[in-house]
Amino acid sequence: ELKVEQNPLFLSMQEGKNYTIYCNYSTTSDRLYWYRQDPGKSLESLFVLLSNGAVKQEGRLMASLDTKARLSTLHITAAVHDLSATYFCAVDMSRGSQGNLIFGKGTKLSVKP
Amino acid sequence: ETGVTQSPTHLIKTRGQQVTLRCSSQSGHNTVSWYQQALGQGPQFIFQYYREEENGRGNFPPRFSGLQFPNYSSELNVNALELDDSALYLCASSRPGTSGGARDNEQFFGPGTRLTVL
Repeated sequence: ELKVEQNPLFLSMQEGKNYTIYCNYSTTSDRLYWYRQDPGKSLESLFVLLSNGAVKQEGRLMASLDTKARLSTLHITAAVHDLSATYFCAVDMSRGSQGNLIFGKGTKLSVKP
Repeated sequence: ETGVTQSPTHLIKTRGQQVTLRCSSQSGHNTVSWYQQALGQGPQFIFQYYREEENGRGNFPPRFSGLQFPNYSSELNVNALELDDSALYLCASSRPGTSGGARDNEQFFGPGTRLTVL
């Protein structure tokens, strides 16, 4: 059974600081996603990572994937209050078809002035 | 291009009742997946419909059932509601990708239906 583990589950940061969220998964997968969720809202897709060594960046967020280690990271640079949200990683189990996503428990990020 | 829509937004039911949630897929998408998100947890896969057929199911009992219609919209039905069924129910639509790129098969999520079971 595939397990997806994120850590930390809660993260309180000061504005301007850097930090990394980790996502470990237990079985080989085709692709990994990072989502953002604001309170009471749906999921917003941030990154899709396909291959080993993939790195994607958008603004202050950068995601990477190491398929050999079954590890993805979401790095936050110079955090700002607007980044406060819950971040989920999700692993696609479909193996080429349109599959189901297995989500981690999420990391609740709070950025304080 | 219209995004994924869900109705209703909120719903309150009592234990033992039945509920139907609805999802309209994004234009051009033929696949709908349903997820249950309990408070403070990540979404859990319930099932997926592709071209009106169930195409995969997570670890949910048979009282969770679904339909997909010819226009690719979908319903999630839950019978004999239990208190633990209280959650945000998300649907996501997608379509087969052909380019081999990262965005192939990407699922786009709707705003969700918040179900409370009393």
